[in-house]
Amino acid sequence: QVTLKESGPGMLQPSKTLSLTCSFSGFSLSTSGMVVSWIRQPSGKSLEWLAAIDWDGDKYYNPSLKSRLTVSKDTSNTQVFLKITSVDIADTATYYCARRRDYGSYFDYWGQGVMVTVSS
Amino acid sequence: DIVMTQSPFSLAVSEGEMVTINCKSSQSLLSSGNQKNYLAWYQQKPGQSPKLLIYYASTRQSGVPDRFIGSGSGTDFTLTISDVQAEDLADYYCLQHYSSPNTFGAGTKLELK
Repeated sequence: QVTLKESGPGMLQPSKTLSLTCSFSGFSLSTSGMVVSWIRQPSGKSLEWLAAIDWDGDKYYNPSLKSRLTVSKDTSNTQVFLKITSVDIADTATYYCARRRDYGSYFDYWGQGVMVTVSS
Repeated sequence: DIVMTQSPFSLAVSEGEMVTINCKSSQSLLSSGNQKNYLAWYQQKPGQSPKLLIYYASTRQSGVPDRFIGSGSGTDFTLTISDVQAEDLADYYCLQHYSSPNTFGAGTKLELK
C-alpha cells in the first residue's frame, strides 16, 4: 500500500526558509523511474507543480521558482525534502508530495497535504 | 509553459444528470512516439488531496466508476460524468504531464443545483 505524508512547520514568518518533509512507504525511490514531486495549492485556487527528484537523484524545478527551491532525498530513499527560501505571504498554501512512476507519467498517489501559513 | 484552459469554472447539476468539463491545452499533448495524450483528470473533495480519475486522456484509474469518461486528443479534452451522484460533488482539475513544468487547469467546481 502506497502512502505519502507531508510534514512542516505550520506557520513561519516572511523571509524565512520553509522546510518540508515527505515520508513515504509502499514503494522505493531507488526503483528505476520512480519520482517524488512537490505540488502546492493556495486555498481556493488551483495546483502548482514545484519540484521533483527521481530515483537516480536527478532534480527538476519549476523555472518560476527555481532560484528559491531545493529538493533532496535521504540516503534510505524513504523521505524527500523541499526547502523554499525567502518565503512571503504568496507562499501560503497546502503543500503536497506525490508519486509518479516515471518522469513523464501522471501523479498516481498523493499525500494528505500540509498547510503552511506565512505571516508576520 | 503549456497553458491549460479549463471550463466551466463551476457547474450546478442535479443528481442523475450528465455533465461535461473541458480542458484545452496551448500545445498538443499527443506524443508522436507512443500516440498517448499526456493528460490526466483529478477529483478533489473539500479537505482532501486530489484523486486520480483518468490518465492518458481516456484510461480510467482502477476503482473509478465507469460513469467517469475521458476523451479527446491533441489539444482538446473532455471529462464526462454521466448519472452524477451526490458523492461526485467536488472540484475537478486537468493536468498536462507532456512537458515540464507540468501544469494544471484552473479547476471546475461541481455543485448541487
